[in-house]
Amino acid sequence: EAQVTQNPRYLITVTGKKLTVTCSQNMNHEYMSWYRQDPGLGLRQIYYSMNVEVTDKGDVPEGYKVSRKEKRNFPLILESPSPNQTSLYFCASSWGRLNTEAFFGQGTRLTVV
Amino acid sequence: DAKTTQPPSMDCAEGRAANLPCNHSTISGNEYVYWYRQIHSQGPQYIIHGLKNNETNEMASLIITEDRKSSTLILPHATLRDTAVYYCIVYHPPAGKSTFGDGTTLTVKP
Repeated sequence: EAQVTQNPRYLITVTGKKLTVTCSQNMNHEYMSWYRQDPGLGLRQIYYSMNVEVTDKGDVPEGYKVSRKEKRNFPLILESPSPNQTSLYFCASSWGRLNTEAFFGQGTRLTVV
Repeated sequence: DAKTTQPPSMDCAEGRAANLPCNHSTISGNEYVYWYRQIHSQGPQYIIHGLKNNETNEMASLIITEDRKSSTLILPHATLRDTAVYYCIVYHPPAGKSTFGDGTTLTVKP
C-alpha cells in the first residue's frame, strides 16, 4: 500500500531536548516536504526536498533542520525545541514539483513544555 | 508568490452540489491550482488539480476561469462525509514551494 509514515504520532517533550520526527515513503517519490499546522494559521511549509541531498527552506524554517540522505526518508529535526513549536506536523511526498498529487502522512502532534 | 483567498466557511445540503470558490489573482502562467481537503486533523487528501482547462475526476470537477485568476471546486453530490476543510493551493515553480490558503470549512447538512 502506498503510504507516507510518520513517527511518532504523538510526542510530549521538554524545552531544549533534541528530537527527531521521522518520515518515510514507499512510493520512490522525489519530492518530500514538511508542514506545520496551527489553529487559525492553516498549513505552513517548513522545508522541502527536491531529491536526495537537495533541500530548501519553506515559509517557516526557523528552529528546524532536515536531511535527505536516502530517497525514502526525510526526517525533521528540532535541535532545541521551544514551546512555540508545539504544533501538528505533516510530512508529504510526490513524484515531482508540478502536475502530481502529494500524499500526506497522518501527522505528528508535538507538545513542547 | 501567488496567494489564494477562500471563504472561511460554507454550508451545503446533502445531495446538492457544493461549489467552493478560490481566488488566485496573482497566479503566473506556469503555476498549477491544486485542491486538497482535510477531515478533522488527518493528513490532507488530494482532490484534483489543473493548469488552465477544466478538469473532472471521480471526486470532483475543477473550473478555472479563462484569465486563471479564480477557480471553483465542484462536488456534484455532496454527502455528510464531504464535511471537511478544503484547501486551494498554487504551486510555485521551479523552487517547489507550496502555499496553502486558509481553507474553506464545508459543512454538509442532512
